[in-house]
Amino acid sequence: DAGITQSPRHKVTETGTPVTLRCHQTENHRYMYWYRQDPGHGLRLIHYSYGVKDTDKGEVSDGYSVSRSKTEDFLLTLESATSSQTSVYFCAISEPSPSYEQYFGPGTRLTVT
Amino acid sequence: GDSVTQMEGPVTLSEEAFLTINCTYTATGYPSLFWYVQYPGEGLQLLLKATKADDKGSNKGFEATYRKETTSFHLEKGSVQVSDSAVYFCALSVYTGANSKLTFGKGITLSVRP
Repeated sequence: DAGITQSPRHKVTETGTPVTLRCHQTENHRYMYWYRQDPGHGLRLIHYSYGVKDTDKGEVSDGYSVSRSKTEDFLLTLESATSSQTSVYFCAISEPSPSYEQYFGPGTRLTVT
Repeated sequence: GDSVTQMEGPVTLSEEAFLTINCTYTATGYPSLFWYVQYPGEGLQLLLKATKADDKGSNKGFEATYRKETTSFHLEKGSVQVSDSAVYFCALSVYTGANSKLTFGKGITLSVRP
């Protein structure tokens, strides 16, 4: 299994509070991703990073920001959590290769009340 | 844009039944194709992949063949087990360097009863 950890694994927070989720990898992969998974929507890309300090938006980036100051860590921040951000969040890593598979972390279940 | 369409679910089968899960795609370039599996409470795991036309990916008794002429990548298994109960996602990627991304289907839930 790829060395990817996510923290916390479960979190309950109140509307309007800031939340930061952490993804940590030990594989030294260049690319990192944040997805959210919701019933009926599959996985949707929030943000991704193609190197330290290099990030870009995915298809559902509103309300989220990211930072990557080290190769191994990719942080996802909800500046002011809303109930619509209740979801399961997955981090993934990859290397730039033609076959381009991604490896996923175990997920963080976030509930915004 | 790129897209992946999976058959509607859920699917319920008896143990030892034959499994087919349909997946078709549209892509602007020449994609690599993937099947991922998600067991309850876990993240996604790469099940198999194929990177060019007529390639067959296989793993754990599952197979899928990259069919360029029909833009399909159907997943098959000859005899399913209860332990195969999971959600299955078809995905594609077209490599374009830094902006390369995976595009996923919506997933299908498979339940296998003893």
